[in-house]
Order: sequence, then structure tokens, then C-alpha cells
Amino acid sequence: QQQVKQSPQSLIVQKGGISIINCAYENTAFDYFPWYQQFPGKGPALLIAIRPDVSEKKEGRFTISFNKSAKQFSLHIMDSQPGDSATYFCAATYSGGGADGLTFGKGTHLIIQP
Amino acid sequence: NAGVTQTPKFQVLKTGQSMTLQCAQDMNHNSMYWYRQDPGMGLRLIYYSASEGTTDKGEVPNGYNVSRLNKREFSLRLESAAPSQTSVYFCASSDERKANYGYTFGSGTRLTVV
Repeated sequence: QQQVKQSPQSLIVQKGGISIINCAYENTAFDYFPWYQQFPGKGPALLIAIRPDVSEKKEGRFTISFNKSAKQFSLHIMDSQPGDSATYFCAATYSGGGADGLTFGKGTHLIIQP
Repeated sequence: NAGVTQTPKFQVLKTGQSMTLQCAQDMNHNSMYWYRQDPGMGLRLIYYSASEGTTDKGEVPNGYNVSRLNKREFSLRLESAAPSQTSVYFCASSDERKANYGYTFGSGTRLTVV
């Protein structure tokens, strides 16, 4: 049973456009939702994260929107740049059981065309 | 400031051979994890260790064993490699006091079983 569903699998956006990646979760006990960015040949790196007590978190060009009632959260990349081309993973966990690891979505391969 | 170090970076095994993937972290983290990454499957947890001396199975533990040698080191062993274990393996660590923020990944081991 996949607990975090991510879409789309791949995404092509023009430079300067907005990239949007969506995730949905099933486990209502989840209370921490990070996004990871992975470049080819590298490990994932934490990009931005949100807790369900807020509906939005912004860090520079990256914004997470969170809808607790719909059990969905999304990553928005404003003014997308070629350097943003990477694979993005959403993930979820619950703070009380964080030691057993994050549950990841299957990833979105983002290409920003110059 | 090494973070999480994995060795080797690449490995080719024949079916039935054994090998150990090494992982070490220098951040004094208590929790360590092994994930495998396969195309279209995201990152799946193999085993984790919440503290020195403890290990637990994750989502896909079959065919693997782990050892938490000390607080710094967490190794993953394939006793009899199978082609289905061809994957990229990532080790990660976190501080359970701030587990929701401290997932640091290594750069991965690309394993091919022929």
C-alpha cells in the first residue's frame, strides 16, 4: 500500500515558469512533510518542509502548500530555472515514530527548458 | 564536514556473490537508515537503526542484513546477491531529537548484479 502518491512522474517547464508537483497521503498520523531534491549521481537533499499546523511555507522561490482536509500537499517552484532541473521527492512521517524512516513518493523528474 | 560517507560508489557482483556496503556518519546522529532507489519506485526503506545496538526491518528487508557497528557506522550486507537487488543504495542519518529536519543522505552506491 503506497502511503504517499506523487504526480506527475515527469514535468517539463519553460524557464521562468511555475513548476507544480503534487502529493497525497493516506496516513492521518503523518505530521511532517518534507520535499527532497536530487541531482544525478547525488543523494537526496532536504529542500523545504512543512507541518500541518500551517497551510503554506515559502523559502525563496520554493513554496509548499498544504491542505489537511484533502490530505494533499504540493511544491511550487516560482521563476523556474535550468538549475532546478532535478528529481523531486515528497515524503511524510510522524514525529512520534520518526525513527522508522520517511515514506517517500515515487519522484518527479523535472526539466526546465532554457 | 563529510556528513554521510558511503563506500563503494560502484560495484558489480555476480549472482550469488556476497558483499557489504559501508556507511559512516560524523554528525553524532543516533538514527541511521538504508534505502534503495529504483526507477519509478522512489526510495524504499530496507532497514533502520534507531540507536546503537538496535536494528529494525523496513519495507523491503528480504535478502539483506544490517549491522550497527557503533554510533557512526551502519553496514548493509547482501549474503547472496540476486539480479533483483540491482539498485542504487542510499544510507542516511538523522538526529531523533530533531528527526524531522536532520535526514542527511550519502551519495549512494550503485550496485549491479549480473
